[in-house]
Amino acid sequence: DIVMTQSPDSLAVSLGERATINCKSSQSVLYSSNNNNYLAWYQQKPGQPPKLLIYWASTRESGVPDRFSGSGSGTDFTLTISSLQAEDVAVYYCQQYYSNPPLTFGGGTKVEIK
Amino acid sequence: EVQLVESGEGLVQPGGSLRLSCAASGFTFSNYAMHWVRQAPGKGLQSVSGISYDGVSTYYADSVKGRFTISRDNSKNTLYLQMGSLRAEDMAVYYCARGTGSYYKSPFDYWGQGTLVTVSS
Repeated sequence: DIVMTQSPDSLAVSLGERATINCKSSQSVLYSSNNNNYLAWYQQKPGQPPKLLIYWASTRESGVPDRFSGSGSGTDFTLTISSLQAEDVAVYYCQQYYSNPPLTFGGGTKVEIK
Repeated sequence: EVQLVESGEGLVQPGGSLRLSCAASGFTFSNYAMHWVRQAPGKGLQSVSGISYDGVSTYYADSVKGRFTISRDNSKNTLYLQMGSLRAEDMAVYYCARGTGSYYKSPFDYWGQGTLVTVSS
C-alpha cells in the first residue's frame, strides 16, 4: 500500500494568516499517461463527516472557497489556506487514489486558531 | 440533492456480527463506485471496503478481509456491509462514501453522517 505521511500533526495559526499542510506519499501518485496527480484533500470538522476540498492535487471542488489551494506533484503535496477563517478549524486529510485499493489517507493535520 | 444515510448502528460482542446499510438518493446510484470508510474514536480515516458500480469488483482492507462482505442492490439504491467475527479494533464510526467514478481510482465526493459500531462484552 502507498503510505501517506502528513506534517505537521497540528498547527495553530492566527486569523487571517496562512496555514500550510504537507503530505508526502511513499511512491509517486502521478499517472504519466494523463499527467494527473491522484491526490485529494478533505476537511473534517468536529462531529461531521469529511468533506472533499481538492482533487487532482489542485482542483477545488465546487463551492470550496478560493482561499484553499493545493499544489505539488509526484510524492510531495501541499494544502494552503491563504487567510485562515474561524470556520476553517478542522482536521485535514490527504488521500491517494492512484494505487489499487484500499485508497490510503494521511494521518491528519489539526488546524486551530492561535 | 445527494444523500447517503447509514443505518445498522449497534453494540455487539466480540466475535459477533452486524450489517450496515447505506441508503442513497439524489443521484443514479448504479453509475458510481461506493465505499465504506471507518474512523476509530479520536483516530484518522481508514478505507475499509469498496465496490464497483455494477457490484462485480470489490476490495477490502487486509484488516477486514475474510470477515467483512460488501454488496449493493442497485434496484434499491442501497449499499451494505456485512461484518462478522468482530473485534475490539473494529469499533468505529463507519461512513458510506461515493466515489466520483464508476471504479475505484477516484476521490470520495459525498459522505454519509456515519453510524457507530461498538464492539464490547
